Amino acid sequence: AQSVTQLDSHVSVSEGTPVLLRCNYSSSYSPSLFWYVQHPNKGLQLLLKYTSAATLVKGINGFEAEFKKSETSFHLTKPSAHMSDAAEYFCVVSGTGGYNKLIFGAGTRLAVHP
Amino acid sequence: GAGVSQSPSNKVTEKGKDVELRCDPISGHTALYWYRQSLGQGLEFLIYFQGNSAPDKSGLPSDRFSAERTGGSVSTLTIQRTQQEDSAVYLCASTSGGVNTGELFFGEGSRLTVL
Repeated sequence: AQSVTQLDSHVSVSEGTPVLLRCNYSSSYSPSLFWYVQHPNKGLQLLLKYTSAATLVKGINGFEAEFKKSETSFHLTKPSAHMSDAAEYFCVVSGTGGYNKLIFGAGTRLAVHP
Repeated sequence: GAGVSQSPSNKVTEKGKDVELRCDPISGHTALYWYRQSLGQGLEFLIYFQGNSAPDKSGLPSDRFSAERTGGSVSTLTIQRTQQEDSAVYLCASTSGGVNTGELFFGEGSRLTVL
């Protein structure tokens, strides 16, 4: 069965410093992996996705993630945090069944301080 | 509208009452999903529709939960005899994407509070 573990429930950074949100996955086959972002009182939005092409994936708003099969990781990074990045971030793996059944991690709440 | 629309945005009900939550997906999206988001937890898959049929209902927590979709469009999630543990945000998503494209378009959710 597929699953994801987000290693930090809360991350706090200062504006202008790097962001690292950690995610490990478990999958019995080559997975598709995603990061979604949820801003307060907003719907979830796809940030980026990995689907077995390039292992370094670039997303919106300067975020990127690297797929590391040997470490079963898909950590999300950004070189310089902005106040508008404060949100909840979900690491997601696609499940089996031949359709988009997405399995979500518990989420990491990112706080950005001035 | 351009996005996924859910109603009501907030619902407060008493234990034992029935509730209906509505989802209006993006026009033309054939696939529709319901997820539940509880405080401090990730999103829990409930049910998936392809057109009007539901090939995967495996996430429905109990037989008090049911969902239907009509005309390949609007979906209704019904919770009968609500319990306090049903309190959560219920999210609907739709997509026209193929297998594993991952791009689900989510509504803003219906927050259910059972007193």
